[in-house]
Amino acid sequence: EVQLVESGGGLVQPGGSLRLSCAASGFTFSSYSMNWVRQAPGKGLEWVSYISSSSSTIYYADSVKGRFTISRDNAKNSLYLQMNSLRDEDTAVYYCARARPYSDYWGQGTLVTVSS
Amino acid sequence: QSALTQPRSVSGSPGQSVTISCTGTSSDVGGYNYVSWYQQHPGKAPKLMIYDVSKRPSGVPDRFSGSKSGNTASLTISGLQAEDEADYYCCSYAGSLQVFGGGTKLTVL
Repeated sequence: EVQLVESGGGLVQPGGSLRLSCAASGFTFSSYSMNWVRQAPGKGLEWVSYISSSSSTIYYADSVKGRFTISRDNAKNSLYLQMNSLRDEDTAVYYCARARPYSDYWGQGTLVTVSS
Repeated sequence: QSALTQPRSVSGSPGQSVTISCTGTSSDVGGYNYVSWYQQHPGKAPKLMIYDVSKRPSGVPDRFSGSKSGNTASLTISGLQAEDEADYYCCSYAGSLQVFGGGTKLTVL
């Protein structure tokens, strides 16, 4: 059974940093690309970033480019999102998802709240 | 990259059919056959319902179907059931980006 479990969310002040993790199991993690997708409270889905299976291809949404960094450790079956210079508008539930490039499996999400 | 355009809400009675549209541009919906649709119930993670415009993942009822014409993709749900009440999002590949629609709330009357 494919499982994706996000962690690392929490309350952070504007300008601060946070690192999200996504632990994958139930499939050969190193063979699949991954997405991060977020959803602000009461709002729609927003694609954030994509990383290929070997990390050779990485894409970011314009809204996070230069502030967020996606990475992965295939030996640990883990995906990461380093978020720096956080803004109020980054407040959202962050989901990791297996990318085909469509997102066929999703985690349950982790809430990031940016507030002073 | 602008979000794809979806109606804010649609509704239908049990047993009826509804169609949700998703309008983009030639740079996303119209340029690739990589449109996907997601169902999201309150407080839950999204669930993939359609991928590559019209393909259904294993386990998704055949009441759900997808299509595309030009820059507009559509999701049709036939034989509406109470459990279909949810938010629906379209998503398109757009080269180095992926772009979602704003979401459509489906109400089953």
